[in-house]
Amino acid sequence: AQSVSQHNHHVILSEAASLELGCNYSYGGTVNLFWYVQYPGQHLQLLLKYFSGDPLVKGIKGFEAEFIKSKFSFNLRKPSVQWSDTAEYFCAVKGNAGKSTFGDGTTLTVKP
Amino acid sequence: DAGVTQSPTHLIKTRGQHVTLRCSPISGHKSVSWYQQVLGQGPQFIFQYYEKEERGRGNFPDRFSARQFPNYSSELNVNALLLGDSALYLCASKDAGKGMNTEAFFGQGTRLTVV
Repeated sequence: AQSVSQHNHHVILSEAASLELGCNYSYGGTVNLFWYVQYPGQHLQLLLKYFSGDPLVKGIKGFEAEFIKSKFSFNLRKPSVQWSDTAEYFCAVKGNAGKSTFGDGTTLTVKP
Repeated sequence: DAGVTQSPTHLIKTRGQHVTLRCSPISGHKSVSWYQQVLGQGPQFIFQYYEKEERGRGNFPDRFSARQFPNYSSELNVNALLLGDSALYLCASKDAGKGMNTEAFFGQGTRLTVV
C-alpha cells in the first residue's frame, strides 16, 4: 500500500524566509509525485509534478521540489516566501494502479 | 474554458438519508476521480472512472457508489449517511487520452454536513 507523510502540520514564516516542506512516501514501484496548493477559499491547484527524468522539478510561483529516490522523499522548497504563499500544501503520490494518495497537508502562514 | 464544476456547493443531510453529488469534468476530459477530504486531513481516494468504467476504488464501504455518464460527467452516491461522512467531496478530471502521466484538475468541492 502506498502512503504519504508530511512532517510539518503548521509552519509559520516571515516574508523573505526560505521554505522547505518535508514529504516522504512509501511505495515499492514507480511513482508519480505531486505537490498541490490550496489557497483560502479556492480549489486544489497543482504546484509541480515529477514523472521521470531530472529529479529537480520547478513549478509555478518559484516553487521547486527534489525527488530523492533513496530517501523516498519529495521535499518542496522556495528560497523566499511571500505573504501570498499563505495556503495549505499537499504532497501526493500516484502508483501504477492510478490511485493518488495524499498527505494530511501542511498549513503555511507567512507573516508580512 | 470552464474548469471542473461540482454541484451542489453545500449540502446538509440527516443521518440515514442518501445523497447524490455531481461533477462535470473539463471539456474533453474522460477520466473523473472522487475524493473525500475530512477536516484536517488530505483528500482520500474514493473512485476513479474512465470511459464510463470504474478503474479504481479506494477503501470505502459499499454505501459509496458512483457512475460516469456518456458525456463523462459523474455522480457520487452515498447511502445510509453517517455523521462521519461529513466532509468536502472533491472531483478531479484529467485528459487520460494523453497517457496516465497527466495532471488532474480539481473542482471546488461539495461540502456535505450530516446532522
